[in-house]
Amino acid sequence: QIQLVQSGPELKKPGESVKISCKASGYTFTNYGMYWVKQAPGQGLQYMGWINTETGKPTYADDFKGRFVFFLETSASTAYLQINNLKNEDMATYFCARSWGFDYWGQGVMVTVSS
Amino acid sequence: DVVLTQTPSILSATIGQSVSISCRSSQSLLDSDGNTYLYWFLQRPGQSPQRLIYLVSNLGSGVPNRFSGSGSGTDFTLKISGVEAEDLGVYYCMQATHAPRTFGGGTKLELK
Repeated sequence: QIQLVQSGPELKKPGESVKISCKASGYTFTNYGMYWVKQAPGQGLQYMGWINTETGKPTYADDFKGRFVFFLETSASTAYLQINNLKNEDMATYFCARSWGFDYWGQGVMVTVSS
Repeated sequence: DVVLTQTPSILSATIGQSVSISCRSSQSLLDSDGNTYLYWFLQRPGQSPQRLIYLVSNLGSGVPNRFSGSGSGTDFTLKISGVEAEDLGVYYCMQATHAPRTFGGGTKLELK
């Protein structure tokens, strides 16, 4: 069956970097784009952007240009989100979601930023 | 960016009651390809979102048929015909017609 399994929770200090993984299984990884969504504590969903899993080209929503990086390890059917120079406002749960239609979601990764 | 306004923000219902959630867009969501890229999701407490409806009115895989979606242009509705306990959580609409994608603010469905 189709699954997106994300890495575990992270505790980081401001200024550090974090790398979150999203491992896909049950389908051909390169046939569907991978999307990223942020959910701050107690808040709604915010679209971050997506990565073309065939070409590796990322596209970022305006609020996520600069410190956020999407990349792939295609041989491992895995997409990554890296956040550099962490800020307090990056504290959130980050979801990956498959395809244009967001038909499957990962379980989410909670990132805590605290000094 | 396209703004999606969901109403109500909180919806109290009894088991078996039929309810509707509105999602209004600041721009038409009809794409030049003829599709309308409006989706509905349910996020149960402590879980990741689950897609319920795609392209306005198409039921997602495994989604019970008590859920239905309708609308066009800028006005869209999700209806639940007979709320069940497992339907409680926060509902979000999302548009993918215009970049960037945007979500509505959410509607929390709770038991009365």
